[in-house]
Amino acid sequence: DAKTTQPNSMESNEEEPVHLPCNHSTISGTDYIHWYRQLPSQGPEYVIHGLTSNVNNRMASLAIAEDRKSSTLILHRATLRDAAVYYCILRGYNQGGKLIFGQGTELSVKP
Amino acid sequence: GAVVSQHPSWVICKSGTSVKIECRSLDFQATTMFWYRQFPKQSLMLMATSNEGSKATYEQGVEKDKFLINHASLTLSTLTVTSAHPEDSSFYICSAISELANYNEQFFGPGTRLTVL
Repeated sequence: DAKTTQPNSMESNEEEPVHLPCNHSTISGTDYIHWYRQLPSQGPEYVIHGLTSNVNNRMASLAIAEDRKSSTLILHRATLRDAAVYYCILRGYNQGGKLIFGQGTELSVKP
Repeated sequence: GAVVSQHPSWVICKSGTSVKIECRSLDFQATTMFWYRQFPKQSLMLMATSNEGSKATYEQGVEKDKFLINHASLTLSTLTVTSAHPEDSSFYICSAISELANYNEQFFGPGTRLTVL
């Protein structure tokens, strides 16, 4: 399984943008980049995913480097409810949806 | 988004007893369900992949006879922790995907906290 590297923790101020980086230098051409987040004592929830192009949805934006060896999850205006552990995961095209979680980045948001 | 439920949300049992945890997809048919465990301050660890009507595929190091998984229908999978011991105390989380959604989004249950005394 291709691995991802994320900072252990990051801090943000409320209502400011947050850029969460992820390195995946061993990514293969058919690996999708997925982001999930987990609030305390809850199951994870899907945030966004992409393959090659940048992606936007109501929760966040995903910026993928041209060489695909890194990506950045962008929360445009952090709220206190965005405090969570964010996981960047590579999903293999032919692995039937299986996700292998790394350590993730614990995001704290200050009022 | 689709909803996955788990029951019970928490359970306390005595050492040596068995505990069954249910995972249901409430508004879609799940071709595949996954079971994870999570220890405090750690990441999720995938235990097994469960496809409806077939035997579960366990990850390396996960004891098949201890963690029995049954996926009897497209909306229900169960995890039974047999002869539970204190070291099995953990947060167990299931998730479900639909092949129709091209595996793009995995829907997670709220988790079940197991405490073995």
